[in-house]
Amino acid sequence: EVQLVESGGGLVQPGGSLRLSCAASGFTFSSYSMNWVRQAPGKGLEWVSYISSSSSTIYYADSVKGRFTISRDNAKNSLYLQMNSLRAEDTAVYYCARETQDSSSWYGCFDYWGQGTLVTVSS
Amino acid sequence: EIVMTQSPATLSVSPGERATLSCRASQSVSSNLAWYQQKPGQAPRLLIYGASTRATGIPARFSGSGSGTEFTLTISSLQSEDFAVYYCQQYNNWPLYTFGQGTKLEIK
Repeated sequence: EVQLVESGGGLVQPGGSLRLSCAASGFTFSSYSMNWVRQAPGKGLEWVSYISSSSSTIYYADSVKGRFTISRDNAKNSLYLQMNSLRAEDTAVYYCARETQDSSSWYGCFDYWGQGTLVTVSS
Repeated sequence: EIVMTQSPATLSVSPGERATLSCRASQSVSSNLAWYQQKPGQAPRLLIYGASTRATGIPARFSGSGSGTEFTLTISSLQSEDFAVYYCQQYNNWPLYTFGQGTKLEIK
């Protein structure tokens, strides 16, 4: 069974830092591109960051570029998001999400999601 | 950035009836469009990808159509468990993915 379990969320002051983790199991983690997607309270979904299976390709949304860093450790089946210079508008539930693959191709949508971890940025 | 616009914001439908949800892209995304269902307190669930392919385990009452800039999610006969928020997502502009703002499907 595919499982993604996020951790590391919490309350942080503006300007502070947090590191989110996502532990993957039930699939060959090193074969999949992974993403972080967030959802502010009562709002819609916002894509945050992408990392390829080998970490060779990384992208960020403009809203977090220069402040957040995505990484992964395939030996530990883990995905990370280092968040620095946090702002009130970064308050959200953060999900890790696996990109979809089938027998013929890969697709830039997300077939498995974690349960999410809440990050609250407030003084 | 490709902007995804969903309509309506809220849709009221009776159980057993058909629901039709729309998603429009600000520029062509070909068939690189996915639909998700999200219930309160839960993560989104992938329903449709490639504009019309049902994800694993998704009931046949869910169907997707469209290409280019206009897309539709149809739920043929609403069950009680289908009342939720639905999001579309484009992945044509890899990997700068964007979501629509969501349509809330509520019981009439």
